[in-house]
Amino acid sequence: QQQVKQSPQSLIVQKGGISIINCAYENTAFDYFPWYQQFPGKGPALLIAIRPDVSEKKEGRFTISFNKSAKQFSLHIMDSQPGDSATYFCAASMRSDYKLSFGAGTTVTVRA
Amino acid sequence: EPEVTQTPSHQVTQMGQEVILRCVPISNHLYFYWYRQILGQKVEFLVSFYNNEISEKSEIFDDQFSVERPDGSNFTLKIRSTKLEDSAMYFCASSEQRNYEQYFGPGTRLTVT
Repeated sequence: QQQVKQSPQSLIVQKGGISIINCAYENTAFDYFPWYQQFPGKGPALLIAIRPDVSEKKEGRFTISFNKSAKQFSLHIMDSQPGDSATYFCAASMRSDYKLSFGAGTTVTVRA
Repeated sequence: EPEVTQTPSHQVTQMGQEVILRCVPISNHLYFYWYRQILGQKVEFLVSFYNNEISEKSEIFDDQFSVERPDGSNFTLKIRSTKLEDSAMYFCASSEQRNYEQYFGPGTRLTVT
C-alpha cells in the first residue's frame, strides 16, 4: 500500500528558480510530515517538517505548504542553487506509530 | 552537532553468511530505527526499537533479521543468512521521542554476492 505519493520523479530548474515538489497522503491519521534531502551516497538529512495544525512553514529558502482537506503537502525551494541538487523525499508518520512512510523521491537538478 | 554514526560504510558478504551492521545513535535519543533503501528506490522502514524491545516491525523484517542494543551506545542489525535481495543501503536513525524528528546515519552499503 503506497501511503505517500510523490511527484514529480525528477525536475530540472535554473539557478534562482523555484523548485516545487508535491506529496499526497491517504491516511488521515498522519500528523507529522517531514522532508528529507539526500545527496548521493549519504543518508537522508532532515530538512524541514510540519504538523497539520499549520498551513505553512518556512525555514530560509525552504517552505512547506500543507492542505489538510486535500491531504496534500508540498516543498518549495526558493532561489534554487546548484548545491540544492539532490533527491528530496517527503514522509509521514502518525502519533500511534514509530515509522516514517516515505514517498518515492524527487531528483532535483539545478542548472547554473 | 550530534550525529548518528554507522559502521562499516560498505560490507560485502557471500550469500548465506551472517552480517552485523552497527550504529551509534545520538546520545540522548531513546527511539532507534533501521531502514533500508534498495538502489534507486525509496527508503523503507524495517524496525523500531524502544526500551530494549522491538516496538514495530515491517513485513520485510522476518526471522532472518534481529536487532540488539548490546550496551548503552550501540544499536545493531543482524541478518542471519543473507540473500541476494538483501543488497541495499541500510540506514540507522534515532529520535528523542516517538512521532518526532528522526535523524539518519550515513548508511551501510551491503552487497551480497
